[in-house]
Amino acid sequence: QKEVEQDPGPLSVPEGAIVSLNCTYSNSAFQYFMWYRQYSRKGPELLMYTYSSGNKEDGRFTAQVDKSSKYISLFIRDSQPSDSATYLCAMSLTGTASKLTFGTGTRLQVTL
Amino acid sequence: DGGITQSPKYLFRKEGQNVTLSCEQNLNHDAMYWYRQDPGQGLRLIYYSQIVNDFQKGDIAEGYSVSREKKESFPLTVTSAQKNPTAFYLCASSSLDSDPYEQYFGPGTRLTVT
Repeated sequence: QKEVEQDPGPLSVPEGAIVSLNCTYSNSAFQYFMWYRQYSRKGPELLMYTYSSGNKEDGRFTAQVDKSSKYISLFIRDSQPSDSATYLCAMSLTGTASKLTFGTGTRLQVTL
Repeated sequence: DGGITQSPKYLFRKEGQNVTLSCEQNLNHDAMYWYRQDPGQGLRLIYYSQIVNDFQKGDIAEGYSVSREKKESFPLTVTSAQKNPTAFYLCASSSLDSDPYEQYFGPGTRLTVT
């Protein structure tokens, strides 16, 4: 079993839809939870991160962490065609610069 | 412009040849990383370095080697011992000033070995 599980998709939604992307994990010691966006043939870029449980909002993006369920989510409101990309969740223990554990990524397509 | 550069963008090699992938950063970051990305596998850590002249193996170091002679540079050599070298290789760097050590990624090098 992988430490971090993520549905690979592809997920296709119409423009303006609310998108929900999710990851589950098995290591209860993870403390930092991150979402990266990766456009085709490019390097990932960090969208947002949360520490421990709770919600964090940044514009159209909201990240949620439920440590009791070992479940994290990224919500995208009013999705745009420019949101079409692969979204990778990643998580780490506190104070370990070296160790990000990534999900496999979910490919999102936002159609006109 | 500050950032991470990787070269070349595409690389083709014959089986049995060693190949070196370049990674340079001008972000003044202490830590640098190499990942490999395969379809359906996500990113897997190959090697990382937190200081010049020191580096540690990641989860899949076999068949790879690195050096860190300068803070700005962290080249990765894919040796002939790597059984499945064809992949997308990503270099990243991060500051070590505070958690969560946000990692910035380069544009990647796509290596094809035939």
